[in-house]
Amino acid sequence: GENVEQHPSTLSVQEGDSAVIKCTYSDSASNYFPWYKQELGKRPQLIIDIRSNVGEKKDQRIAVTLNKTAKHFSLHITETQPEDSAVYFCAAPHMDTGRRALTFGSGTRLQVQP
Amino acid sequence: SQTIHQWPATLVQPVGSPLSLECTVEGTSNPNLYWYRQAAGRGLQLLFYSVGIGQISSEVPQNLSASRPQDRQFILSSKKLLLSDSGFYLCAWRGLAGETGELFFGEGSRLTVL
Repeated sequence: GENVEQHPSTLSVQEGDSAVIKCTYSDSASNYFPWYKQELGKRPQLIIDIRSNVGEKKDQRIAVTLNKTAKHFSLHITETQPEDSAVYFCAAPHMDTGRRALTFGSGTRLQVQP
Repeated sequence: SQTIHQWPATLVQPVGSPLSLECTVEGTSNPNLYWYRQAAGRGLQLLFYSVGIGQISSEVPQNLSASRPQDRQFILSSKKLLLSDSGFYLCAWRGLAGETGELFFGEGSRLTVL
């Protein structure tokens, strides 16, 4: 099945700095790559996604880049704020489910220090 | 608008007892439905998914089972819980956007097996 690897597992930055989280995937036919944010004790929620026909997508302070050749995609958060502190998960279509489900990375715990 | 409800929110069960978690979706038809499990401090593991009434696919061999008796109802069950079944169980749905649609999660059910 699809293997999604995510790193780093933890990331601590100062408020105002940028944060970058990276993921790699194994299925070259995958064409959809979302990022989810999960605050403590809550459900994961989609923050941004990218489809394989574009290389970059931005939404205010958040951006995602995709390199299909290298099979990796990254989440970029600029001007970080304390409320950005959470666990972030990347995901890709789950090959064994006919891509009907998503397989998730292991998560990155981001801590923004005020 | 679409909503997803999941219950109970929290439960504590003894080893060997049965389990039933229920999930319903409102405001959509023919959703793809999913059960994920998240162990403490870990990532999201796909347990089951369903593309229609009575259609269940299992991703991980275990003592859990799932059923979809109605189009927008998804149930996770166990006849005898194990300690390793403890975790945060998340129901999710996805519309008919193929493999590029957003996955919407319920609020989760936190299970502790003692």
